[in-house]
Amino acid sequence: AQRVTQPEKLLSVFKGAPVELKCNYSYSGSPELFWYVQYSRQRLQLLLRHISRESIKGFTADLNKGETSFHLKKPFAQEEDSAMYYCALIYTDKLIFGTGTRLQVFP
Amino acid sequence: DTGVSQDPRHKITKRGQNVTFRCDPISEHNRLYWYRQTLGQGPEFLTYFQNEAQLEKSRLLSDRFSAERPKGSFSTLEIQRTEQGDSAMYLCASSLNSGRADTQYFGPGTRLTVL
Repeated sequence: AQRVTQPEKLLSVFKGAPVELKCNYSYSGSPELFWYVQYSRQRLQLLLRHISRESIKGFTADLNKGETSFHLKKPFAQEEDSAMYYCALIYTDKLIFGTGTRLQVFP
Repeated sequence: DTGVSQDPRHKITKRGQNVTFRCDPISEHNRLYWYRQTLGQGPEFLTYFQNEAQLEKSRLLSDRFSAERPKGSFSTLEIQRTEQGDSAMYLCASSLNSGRADTQYFGPGTRLTVL
């Protein structure tokens, strides 16, 4: 079955430290993967998608088919990065989300 | 604001009552999705429309749930005979079908509390 796993519920780092939010997926075909972010009291919004290969707000994510992973990385965390992050896989037009990781960046 | 809007933002109801939520998608988007999110979980797919046609319904969607998109624009999600287990955030999203994996844009959600 198609599944997205985010093993960490909470990740806490200090400002300026590197960040890696883990995402593993289960899917037999060629996956289309997304990272969505939800800042406090805001709606869920797209951060990046793997097919565009963009870097948004300093975040990047590389699809590793061998490890079935799509980890989100940022070399230097900022306080404004504190938010809830969801990894998602698209399957037959619908998004399958992981349970999310809360990132806390301390000053 | 040209984003996805949802109404109401909050709804408190008593068990057994019916509730209806509305979603207005981004105007040029032909696809509209409903998701449900409970505490500590990611959003879970409920159903989606392309124009006015309902293309898929999740097995999560019991017979008490019905969704419509009569003119291919706004959509309503109705829950009949609400149960405490229906308490959740109901999210709407819309996209423009491009033939590939579309980016879905989310509304602010309707938080339902069933007492």
